[in-house]
Amino acid sequence: LAKTTQPISMDSYEGQEVNITCSHNNIATNDYITWYQQFPSQGPRFIIQGYKTKVTNEVASLFIPADRKSSTLSLPRVSLSDTAVYYCLVGDPNSNSGYALNFGKGTSLLVTP
Amino acid sequence: KAGVTQTPRYLIKTRGQQVTLSCSPISGHRSVSWYQQTPGQGLQFLFEYFSETQRNKGNFPGRFSGRQFSNSRSEMNVSTLELGDSALYLCASRRTGAQETQYFGPGTRLLVL
Repeated sequence: LAKTTQPISMDSYEGQEVNITCSHNNIATNDYITWYQQFPSQGPRFIIQGYKTKVTNEVASLFIPADRKSSTLSLPRVSLSDTAVYYCLVGDPNSNSGYALNFGKGTSLLVTP
Repeated sequence: KAGVTQTPRYLIKTRGQQVTLSCSPISGHRSVSWYQQTPGQGLQFLFEYFSETQRNKGNFPGRFSGRQFSNSRSEMNVSTLELGDSALYLCASRRTGAQETQYFGPGTRLLVL
């Protein structure tokens, strides 16, 4: 499984754009990059997934450079309710041996007024 | 569609006892994965079951075991509980594979005294 590295914590003010970068130097050809969000005492919630270039949905954007050794989750105009832990994961969801998600410790985002 | 459900939500046990946790996946989902979350180690993968077979396993001792039934419901068992087993145990389900994301339940919080 590819190892990921992301900042332990980040702070932001309401209304700002937040970019969280994740490094995954050993990403394999068939690996996808997935981001999850977790609030205290709840299970993680899927945010976005991508393979290369840029992916956008109603919640966030995911930027993946050509070498795929890193990715950046972009949250536009954050609000207080975006305070959570964000996990970057890399893995092959099509693997016949299963799909083990290594969450690591994630990035704890604190949004303040 | 109902989400992933886990029972019980909270549990207190003493050292040396054993515990069984239950997870009901989203209807139609055949893959169930289990995770342990602690403040010190973060969110760690335990194992994944698909069609009643364990197809992936994390790095946990044999005291941690699981099974899946024909209706895709899954149970996780921890024998000879240790204080360090106190954690939030999360279950996640997905249909099969093919870039499908996992949907997490609310978790079972286990306290070992």
